[in-house]
Amino acid sequence: DAKTTQPNSMESNEEEPVHLPCNHSTISGTDYIHWYRQLPSQGPEYVIHGLTSNVNNRMASLAIAEDRKSSTLILHRATLRDAAVYYCILRDYGGSNYKLTFGKGTLLTVNP
Amino acid sequence: NAGVTQTPKFRILKIGQSMTLQCTQDMNHNYMYWYRQDPGMGLKLIYYSVGAGITDKGEVPNGYNVSRSTTEDFPLRLELAAPSQTSVYFCASSYGTGMNTEAFFGQGTRLTVV
Repeated sequence: DAKTTQPNSMESNEEEPVHLPCNHSTISGTDYIHWYRQLPSQGPEYVIHGLTSNVNNRMASLAIAEDRKSSTLILHRATLRDAAVYYCILRDYGGSNYKLTFGKGTLLTVNP
Repeated sequence: NAGVTQTPKFRILKIGQSMTLQCTQDMNHNYMYWYRQDPGMGLKLIYYSVGAGITDKGEVPNGYNVSRSTTEDFPLRLELAAPSQTSVYFCASSYGTGMNTEAFFGQGTRLTVV
């Protein structure tokens, strides 16, 4: 399975933008880039996913490098409720990778 | 709109006891997953299923068994509980392939083995 690398932790101030990086140098052509987050004492929740183009939704934006070897999850205005562990995951849409495998993720701390 | 429902939310087991963690989803998803999460750690895949009647091992299957007799249900069975199985267990479901493969997670079952 293609692997992802994320920083262990990041810190931000409330109301400021946050850029969470993810490296995935062994990504294959059929891998989509998914982001999930896990709030304290809760199960993970889906944030966003993309293939090649940048993506926006109500929660965040996803910026994907042209060579697809890295991506960045952007929270435009961090709030205290955004404090969580953020996971970057590669999901094969070709149908051969049935697993949904989590790495260690990035612990985001948001300061008031 | 229930999504993924896990029961029980909390359980204390004695060493050597057995139990079944229940997971059911109402979204007609074909893929279902069981994870465990130890304190301060990431999620580790125990077992997964790509459809009724089909299950496969994940990263840490030892000490667990699963079955998938219906699309909706994916119970996880612990036989002969050990302290090393103290963890939070999460069940998840998704469509298997295609664009909309967002996974939905339950709220977890916190298990303590003493």
